[in-house]
Amino acid sequence: EIVLTQSPATLSLSPGERATLSCRASQSVSSYLAWYQQKPGQAPRLLISDASGRATGVPARFSGGGSGTDFTLTISSLEPEDFAVYYCHQRRSWPRTFGQGTKVEIK
Amino acid sequence: EVQLLESGGGLIQPGGSLRLSCATSGFTFTSYAMGWVRQAPGKGLEWVSSINDIGVSTYYADSVKGRFTIFKDNSKNTLFLQLNSLRAEDTALYYCVKYSAAWYNEAWGQGTLVSVSS
Repeated sequence: EIVLTQSPATLSLSPGERATLSCRASQSVSSYLAWYQQKPGQAPRLLISDASGRATGVPARFSGGGSGTDFTLTISSLEPEDFAVYYCHQRRSWPRTFGQGTKVEIK
Repeated sequence: EVQLLESGGGLIQPGGSLRLSCATSGFTFTSYAMGWVRQAPGKGLEWVSSINDIGVSTYYADSVKGRFTIFKDNSKNTLFLQLNSLRAEDTALYYCVKYSAAWYNEAWGQGTLVSVSS
């Protein structure tokens, strides 16, 4: 099983600041990695697939990067609606796995 | 617009069974793989099971293998998850997901809550 480790667990930032979230895989997932955003009381939403491809309707301030075992999600300038929990997810192999999540909170 | 509507959750005793349904619309059901992801209260996301577009290939997390069964009724555009031998640790919000062609969780339902308790 591929274990995904996200860091930090919590990121405290102010609107307008840049957020950088990390996801590290226990073995290579090539570029088969996605990022999801989940707000309280809502279902997750796909943001990024194949490590760097923005999903339909996702603002350009969200960008993904990396390959192999190290990935990042960057939010260039935080908007109020971006404060949420973010999960990475791999589809390289079965079982599919998710990271434990990074909470981006208002400082 | 893709719509996924789960139902079938509820309070069940340990050892009991439930069948979750996911009624779909807005896309060609027979052309997409589907799956279930769960989230225990206050916890993260856990993949549960997946099925390919034509419903012949299925995949399960080790934690549910042998107890849960995923299947599709293509005539009704509906995805199912049969949950047997339920345990307290199966308590969670169960999301139905539609995969993209690349097997990412492209669309999510709002979830149905399963609570296993005596």
